[in-house]
Amino acid sequence: ETGVTQTPRHLVMGMTNKKSLKCEQHLGHNAMYWYKQSAKKPLELMFVYNFKEQTENNSVPSRFSPECPNSSHLFLHLHTLQPEDSALYLCASSQVQGSSYNSPLHFGNGTRLTVT
Amino acid sequence: GQQLNQSPQSMFIQEGEDVSMNCTSSSIFNTWLWYKQDPGEGPVLLIALYKAGELTSNGRLTAQFGITRKDSFLNISASIPSDVGIYFCAGQLNAGNNRKLIWGLGTSLAVNP
Repeated sequence: ETGVTQTPRHLVMGMTNKKSLKCEQHLGHNAMYWYKQSAKKPLELMFVYNFKEQTENNSVPSRFSPECPNSSHLFLHLHTLQPEDSALYLCASSQVQGSSYNSPLHFGNGTRLTVT
Repeated sequence: GQQLNQSPQSMFIQEGEDVSMNCTSSSIFNTWLWYKQDPGEGPVLLIALYKAGELTSNGRLTAQFGITRKDSFLNISASIPSDVGIYFCAGQLNAGNNRKLIWGLGTSLAVNP
């Protein structure tokens, strides 16, 4: 497999459920990202990991909990979500050199999340 | 938060027509990026621009980094049905930091065969 793979592609969950989104990158990159894509809003960066270390958390509510066990895998654990959290959640990866996050982002195809 | 103004919001054109879209910002950017998102997929990078005035092509696509560093445009020549999708611009305030990308809202392109 190549590129960035996200599972599941679609997820419907109730507000009291706990679920996880998974992302795996096969590009040899060392940085991974979670983005939220909602209608009529620009892409929102949620979290960034560099070599398993979280380097960015854009004031994301604690009901979203990321986990990066290694530079190829990224998870987003979800619990007690709200209906307004329904969106497309995109994972991306890139190559970081030193402190430079300049290489292009490679996105997965996203998980379409619906919170009922 | 900061936002780019991307226009037009949507376009419906005939196959073979040329397309032009642009992004403007109140801030100076050091990098402009153009991505395309096909239905059901994630965004894919089309063109990256790193210098003011830079004009770069990728097949039928041409993008330019505005001289003022506050705008960029993307042209598609001789459109085909597979050009359908949403085109996003993204600007980077600081070179070397894609954690600080500012995204436009996208231009949705529909092509009538």
